[in-house]
Amino acid sequence: QVQLVQSGAEVKKPGASVKVSCKASGYTFTSYDINWVRQATGQGLEWMGWMNPNSGNTGYAQKFQGRVTMTRNTSISTAYMELSSLRSEDTAVYYCARGSPGYSYEFDYWGQGTLVTVSS
Amino acid sequence: QSEVTQAPSASGTPGQRVTISCSGSSSNIGKNYVFWYQQLPGTAPKLLIYRNTQRPSGVPDRFSGSKSGTSASLAISGLRSEDEADYHCAAWDDSLSGPVFGGGTKLTVL
Repeated sequence: QVQLVQSGAEVKKPGASVKVSCKASGYTFTSYDINWVRQATGQGLEWMGWMNPNSGNTGYAQKFQGRVTMTRNTSISTAYMELSSLRSEDTAVYYCARGSPGYSYEFDYWGQGTLVTVSS
Repeated sequence: QSEVTQAPSASGTPGQRVTISCSGSSSNIGKNYVFWYQQLPGTAPKLLIYRNTQRPSGVPDRFSGSKSGTSASLAISGLRSEDEADYHCAAWDDSLSGPVFGGGTKLTVL
């Protein structure tokens, strides 16, 4: 069965960077885009960007351009999202989500989420 | 600030039919597919409705989606206590070149 398993919770200081991983199993990793979506406590969902694991091509939401980097390691079927220059407003649960074939923004499977807390 | 809006809350009693609405614009819902995600308390979202009206395998037919113009709706019939969750709509936005989510609607089963 398709699974996306994310790395554990992180606590970071303002100005630092965080790197969250998302390990895929149960399907061919390079055949489906990986998206990242975040959710602040009590708030809605916010799309951050996508990555094609086959080519490494990426597309980022304008809000995060210059601060976010999405990469992958195909040998271990793992995608990564790194967010830099963290501020308190970045405190949120970060999800990876698989894009379905033909519609990268149709998120058919989600990781369990990774809580990132930014606090001095 | 979301380009797509949802009422923050909705409620119904067991067995009732409830509708959750999602309002957008010509750059998102007006010309692109709408998706609905169900988020049970403390869990990750789950795809509930895709491409306006389609249900993934395993989603009960009590859930249905529709779209008209720049608005979309999710209907839940025969409401059950386990339907208590947050429901998020989403659509691609041509102006933003990315998907945009509504703020989510918290459904309470009374």
